[in-house]
Amino acid sequence: QVQLVESGGGVVQPGGSLRLSCAASGFTYSSYGMQWVRQAPGKGLEWVAFIRYDGSNNKYYADSVKGRFTISRDTSKNTLYLQMNSLRAEDTAVYYCAKDRGYMDVWGKGTTVTVSS
Amino acid sequence: EIVMTQSPATLSVSPGERATLSCRASQSVSSNLAWYQQKPGQAPRLLIYGASTRATGIPARFSGSGSGTEFTLTISSLQSEDFAVYYCQQFHNWPPWTFGQGTKVEIK
Repeated sequence: QVQLVESGGGVVQPGGSLRLSCAASGFTYSSYGMQWVRQAPGKGLEWVAFIRYDGSNNKYYADSVKGRFTISRDTSKNTLYLQMNSLRAEDTAVYYCAKDRGYMDVWGKGTTVTVSS
Repeated sequence: EIVMTQSPATLSVSPGERATLSCRASQSVSSNLAWYQQKPGQAPRLLIYGASTRATGIPARFSGSGSGTEFTLTISSLQSEDFAVYYCQQFHNWPPWTFGQGTKVEIK
């Protein structure tokens, strides 16, 4: 079945880095754009980043993460990544990857990132 | 950026009753609107896309309507498993893709 599994979350100090991964299965990964969406504790959903199906230079970022986060994908491994640098306390959240159709039709279960000293 | 505003923030409904949730866009999004359901500790689940098309496996008691700037999600007869938070999201003008702040449907 169609599945997305995130990994790589953890506790990191402010200013630190973390790389999240999202393993895709059950669909033609190379045909779809992919998204990262996050949810801070007790808050709503916030879009983070998008990458087109072909991993081209058309990548988009929320203003809150632009210049600090980088989205990428490896088609050979059916895996999506989010490299997060210069992390701040306000980046603390559950990070979800999602398959993009404009709307997000498949979501992973999420991975938790905590930025704290 | 298109701002999505949901109302009410919390809706108290008895099982078996109808629930009506609203979502307003700050400018027209045509029919490029999706609804998601999220239960505590779980990922969001797609319910409706294109403003009114149910996603695969979504029960018929969920229906979406509207276009332009005003949208409604209706749950015709609330079941126990429907108590959750519901989000709308526009995919008309991006980036950014924007979500409403959510409506919590709780047991009355």
